[in-house]
Parts: sequence; C-alpha cells; structure tokens
Amino acid sequence: DVKVTQSSRYLVKRTGEKVFLECVQDMDHENMFWYRQDPGLGLRLIYFSYDVKMKEKGDIPEGYSVSREKKERFSLILESASTNQTSMYLCASNLNSGANVLTFGAGSRLTVL
Amino acid sequence: TQLLEQSPQFLSIQEGENLTVYCNSSSVFSSLQWYRQEPGEGPVLLVTVVTGGEVKKLKRLTFQFGDARKDSSLHITAAQPGDTGLYLCAGAGGSQGNLIFGKGTKLSVKP
Repeated sequence: DVKVTQSSRYLVKRTGEKVFLECVQDMDHENMFWYRQDPGLGLRLIYFSYDVKMKEKGDIPEGYSVSREKKERFSLILESASTNQTSMYLCASNLNSGANVLTFGAGSRLTVL
Repeated sequence: TQLLEQSPQFLSIQEGENLTVYCNSSSVFSSLQWYRQEPGEGPVLLVTVVTGGEVKKLKRLTFQFGDARKDSSLHITAAQPGDTGLYLCAGAGGSQGNLIFGKGTKLSVKP
C-alpha cells in the first residue's frame, strides 16, 4: 500500500516562529499536495508539486511556502506563524494527473499561540 | 469557480437507520470521488464514479453519479457505529486539474 507519512502529528508553536511540516511518500508518486482542513471550510489546497523542484500555488498560498528537493519529500513552511494558521494540515500524493485518487497522510495538527 | 455543495453538514442517527448524503454542483465533473475520514486520520478513498448514471455498491454503501455528472449521492443502509466519520465528496476538474472538495458531512451513528 502507498504510504504517506507526516512526521509531526501535533505541534504547538508561538506567533512569529518558523514552522516546517514534513511529508514523505514511499511509492514514487509524481504529485504531492498540501491542504489545510478547517471546520465548516473543508479541504483547501495550499500548494502542490508535479515534479522535483517544481511548485504551484493552490487556492490559499498566502503565508506559506513549499520545498520539494527530492521526489518523495514535500515540505510545507510557515515563515512566520500566525494564529489564523492554526489548523489541521494534510499532505497527499498521487501518481500522475492532478485529478487522480489521492492518498493522504494522517495529518499534522498545528496550534499557533 | 466550481463548487461542490454537500448536505447535510451534520447527521446523527441510531444504529440500523438508513441515510443519504448529497453532493451537488452546477458544474460538470469528469469523475467524482467519495472519501471517509475518521477522527485523527486522513481521508481514505471509498469509491470513484466516472460515468453519468453509474451506481456502485460497497457492502452497505451505495454511490450514484447523476446522469449529467453534476451531482452524486451516498446511501448507507442499516448504519453501524463503525460508519461514524466525515464523508467527503471530491470532483475532478478544478484549476489545473486538481480535485475540488465538498465541505463534508459529519456522520455519527449511535449504538
């Protein structure tokens, strides 16, 4: 089975801190995605990547950046965390086109105080 | 902008009851996926429907794709506590080919 691993399940950070969320997939998938999930708002796409060193903005990229130095790893970076970035962050991957079935990680719940 | 409207947002029922969750849009989708997300976990795919009018069954779950490929429904027969979770529909056809997600239906099945 494809596995998407988010190493940090729960994080508590202070306003202004730099935050790294790491995601690794083990099935050689081309595409990787970062979503945030908030009650009443559903899943919103932050950034995605179709290839190494390649990134595309999703629907809500403001306040975030990403890094994909290796095919299996996609990192989400909050340069200066703010309280409105408190959320559940979900990483996902799929094999080729963006509309293919997504395999999700278990999520990283971030609280910014 | 393509949108997927899911209803109801919340559903609390007793074990053994039947229920239907709806996913509607004014846009046409090339395919539609249903995911279930349990507390503390990421969403997991249940089914993909591709053809207008298609019906797929997964044990007690029945999924239907509308003839015009603008809507879908999920029907659960004789719900069990293990069905508890957040059900998400997702349509293929968003910006740059990405999935568009509905906001989800939170189902609670009480024993």
